[in-house]
Amino acid sequence: AQTVTQSQPEMSVQEAETVTLSCTYDTSESDYYLFWYKQPPSRQMILVIRQEAYKQQNATENRFSVNFQKAAKSFSLKISDSQLGDAAMYFCAYRSAGGWQGAQKLVFGQGTRLTINP
Amino acid sequence: NAGVMQNPRHLVRRRGQEARLRCSPMKGHSHVYWYRQLPEEGLKFMVYLQKENIIDESGMPKERFSAEFPKEGPSILRIQQVVRGDSAAYFCASSPGTDYNEQFFGPGTRLTVL
Repeated sequence: AQTVTQSQPEMSVQEAETVTLSCTYDTSESDYYLFWYKQPPSRQMILVIRQEAYKQQNATENRFSVNFQKAAKSFSLKISDSQLGDAAMYFCAYRSAGGWQGAQKLVFGQGTRLTINP
Repeated sequence: NAGVMQNPRHLVRRRGQEARLRCSPMKGHSHVYWYRQLPEEGLKFMVYLQKENIIDESGMPKERFSAEFPKEGPSILRIQQVVRGDSAAYFCASSPGTDYNEQFFGPGTRLTVL
């Protein structure tokens, strides 16, 4: 079974600075998807960024980018120019790309609580 | 296009009562997923349904929990004889199909068992 590990329960950063959140995963599959979700105090799960494992290029969405290291099974999220609105829980998630019955579920890490200091 | 809707947003039940959580997927989405989030934890997959079919229930507790997604109407997650350990946030997500890798989440239902 696939597992996702986020080893940083909490992180903090000064406003306008850059912060990197870590995520590692374990899988025997070669094709899969990785995601970072943001959960603000409202509890709404918001997709921040996604990465397809077959793509070597790291995904980027405005101030958010990832460092995808497939061989190391690492998928870190970098937030540049941190803003107060970035304060939230961040979850890393894995999904198989297979078509089999159990492939559709998302497997989440434990989360990292990000605090932005003004 | 309205997002995924869940109701109620908050539900309080006493031990032994039944809880019914509803999820209306986004328009055009026929795939529904339920996840549970215990306090200070990540989301855990419970069940994946398509219209009138349970596709993957590998994350569902063996007893007291059931889910359905009828041809008409919302998906229902039902918890019978609730216990304090069932207190959690329950999230529903939907997608248009298996070829689409993103799941769109609803706001969640927070269940409190007294």
